[in-house]
Amino acid sequence: EAGVAQSPRYKIIEKRQSVAFWCNPISGHATLYWYQQILGQGPKLLIQFQNNGVVDDSQLPKDRFSAERLKGVDSTLKIQPAKLEDSAVYLCASSASTSDTQYFGPGTRLTVL
Amino acid sequence: GESVGLHLPTLSVQEGDNSIINCAYSNSASDYFIWYKQESGKGPQFIIDIRSNMDKRQGQRVTVLLNKTVKHLSLQIAATQPGDSAVYFCAESPLNQAGTALIFGKGTTLSVSS
Repeated sequence: EAGVAQSPRYKIIEKRQSVAFWCNPISGHATLYWYQQILGQGPKLLIQFQNNGVVDDSQLPKDRFSAERLKGVDSTLKIQPAKLEDSAVYLCASSASTSDTQYFGPGTRLTVL
Repeated sequence: GESVGLHLPTLSVQEGDNSIINCAYSNSASDYFIWYKQESGKGPQFIIDIRSNMDKRQGQRVTVLLNKTVKHLSLQIAATQPGDSAVYFCAESPLNQAGTALIFGKGTTLSVSS
C-alpha cells in the first residue's frame, strides 16, 4: 500500500514570496492533517480535514496560510506571503477516520531567506 | 534513579541493550497515546499506540507503558539495534478539543553504538 505522498520535498524562497505544498493521502483515508515541524521540535497541527470539510483550523495563521481539500482526496497548503519564521518542515498525515492511526508523509522542508 | 516523568533529550545506548524513553503528557483528558520514530529527513513513523483503558501494550521488540496517575508514558525497546537510532516522539490525543489532532511531546534522540 502506498504511503502519504508530498511534493515538493524541498523549497527555498525569499520572504514575502508565495509557496504551495501538495499532499496525496493514503487511498481511502478520510481524515487529512497538515502539521508544521520547526527544527528541534515536535510537529504542531495547522489544520485537520474530514473529507473536504475543515474540522480544526484553530492554529492556522489565517492571515497568511490557507489550505483546501476540494474533492476530499488531495490537499494543498499555501503560504502567502512567507516570513522567515515559516522555515520548517510541513508534514501531511492521513488516517482512515478521526479515531484511527495517523500516518505521515516525508514532509516538505521550506527555507525562507 | 531516574524520576518519573523526567524527559531526557538524548539517550545513548550500546547495541543489544534495552532502551527506555520517557514522556510526560499534559492533558489528563487524553485517551489515546502514540509513539513515533523520526529518522533524519523523514516523516514520523508509527511505532505503537495505547488507549487510556490499558496500562501496557507490547509489539515487536517494543513495549509501551502508561501511568495515568502521574501522566507518564514510556517506550521500552528490547535488544536495541543501530537501526533504532532516531528521534522518538510521544503524542497524545486529548478528548476536549475540536479535532483529533495529536499533540506531540519533546523528542528524545536515541543513539545506538555498536
